[in-house]
Amino acid sequence: DAMVIQNPRYQVTQFGKPVTLSCSQTLNHNVMYWYQQKSSQAPKLLFHYYDKDFNNEADTPDNFQSRRPNTSFCFLDIRSPGLGDAAMYLCATSREGTGLFTDTQYFGPGTRLTVL
Amino acid sequence: DQQVKQNSPSLSVQEGRISILNCDYTNSMFDYFLWYKKYPAEGPTFLISISSIKDKNEDGRFTVFLNKSAKHLSLHIVPSQPGDSAVYFCAASFYSGGSNYKLTFGKGTLLTVNP
Repeated sequence: DAMVIQNPRYQVTQFGKPVTLSCSQTLNHNVMYWYQQKSSQAPKLLFHYYDKDFNNEADTPDNFQSRRPNTSFCFLDIRSPGLGDAAMYLCATSREGTGLFTDTQYFGPGTRLTVL
Repeated sequence: DQQVKQNSPSLSVQEGRISILNCDYTNSMFDYFLWYKKYPAEGPTFLISISSIKDKNEDGRFTVFLNKSAKHLSLHIVPSQPGDSAVYFCAASFYSGGSNYKLTFGKGTLLTVNP
């Protein structure tokens, strides 16, 4: 089945130690998104790629970076994780943006990040 | 500032009865609305959507109603089944040019359907 895969499912890191989360997709979708979801909160968009074009949300901290080396893969890099960065990180994809309507986003299972 | 609000953190209903999940929004530019369902340890999955040019969209047991004047939408599940027990997220979107199709999510409502 075509899907969105996130690795690892659980990640533990130390305060200040860089960490990279991975997302891959077999849907061949143009757009890939990274969301942060803290406990009992709404998922919050950090940034998205439309093909190779990177779109950062205005309130996403500089501590968060992303790379998309090809259509299938997208990475979330947290350069110096703080305790407040502990959250579920969700990757999503959508086919393309036509401007006519919002394409359905397909989500991966998420990576639960713990910062010690 | 929450632009999409789901004021009920949880809802419990009996199997076979109707479940009604509510969502309010504040941004009048939103023109597309979606409901996602999330089971534990899984990512959200798309359930049903509605464009702002409609006031109702139905898919099997699921119906979404949109009241634009009240900036309110609701998801009806009839009849409710135990397998419907999950967190339901309301999301809203508008096209703001370029590749910007940002979804704004509510905090979710945990639905429990009791056998």
